[in-house]
Amino acid sequence: QKEVEQNSGPLSVPEGAIASLNCTYSDRGSQSFFWYRQYSGKSPELIMFIYSNGDKEDGRFTAQLNKASQYVSLLIRDSQPSDSATYLCAVVQDGGTSYGKLTFGQGTILTVHP
Amino acid sequence: DGGITQSPKYLFRKEGQNVTLSCEQNLNHDAMYWYRQDPGQGLRLIYYSQIVNDFQKGDIAEGYSVSREKKESFPLTVTSAQKNPTAFYLCASSSRGGNQPQHFGDGTRLSIL
Repeated sequence: QKEVEQNSGPLSVPEGAIASLNCTYSDRGSQSFFWYRQYSGKSPELIMFIYSNGDKEDGRFTAQLNKASQYVSLLIRDSQPSDSATYLCAVVQDGGTSYGKLTFGQGTILTVHP
Repeated sequence: DGGITQSPKYLFRKEGQNVTLSCEQNLNHDAMYWYRQDPGQGLRLIYYSQIVNDFQKGDIAEGYSVSREKKESFPLTVTSAQKNPTAFYLCASSSRGGNQPQHFGDGTRLSIL
């Protein structure tokens, strides 16, 4: 089983809709969760991070974390064509030898069509 | 402007050659990281360093080496032992503390000649 799993997509949504991206992780000790956006040919850009159960909102983006179910999701409201990119979920495992080590999912390709 | 600078943008390696990728940051971050990304895949950790003069192997360290002699610099050498070096290499940095967000440079694309 992969440590961090994402649906590779592609996920296609119309402009103005809500895009929902999901991520599950296997290590129950995971403490920190990040979402990165990566445009084709570019490096990843941090868009959200979340540490506690519940929702965290930043503009059109909402991150949701459920540690009991071991999943983290990203909602993008009012999706725009400029949101079309690959979204990477990343998880930091508990301390000890994994301290500070980010484990990435394989990414979900999002396409927002006009 | 604060940020992470990777150079060169593109690099070509000949058979049997070692090449070094540069990563410099002026964010005053303690921790630095090297990742490799292959087409259609997520990032895999090569090496990381939480403090000057100390570094740890990541998941795919074989065929790579690093040094951390200065806080702002974390160069990666791809040795001839790495048989499949063609990939997109990304350097990242963060404040100390395992849960701090990592920020990435623009990356270096390495290809075999």
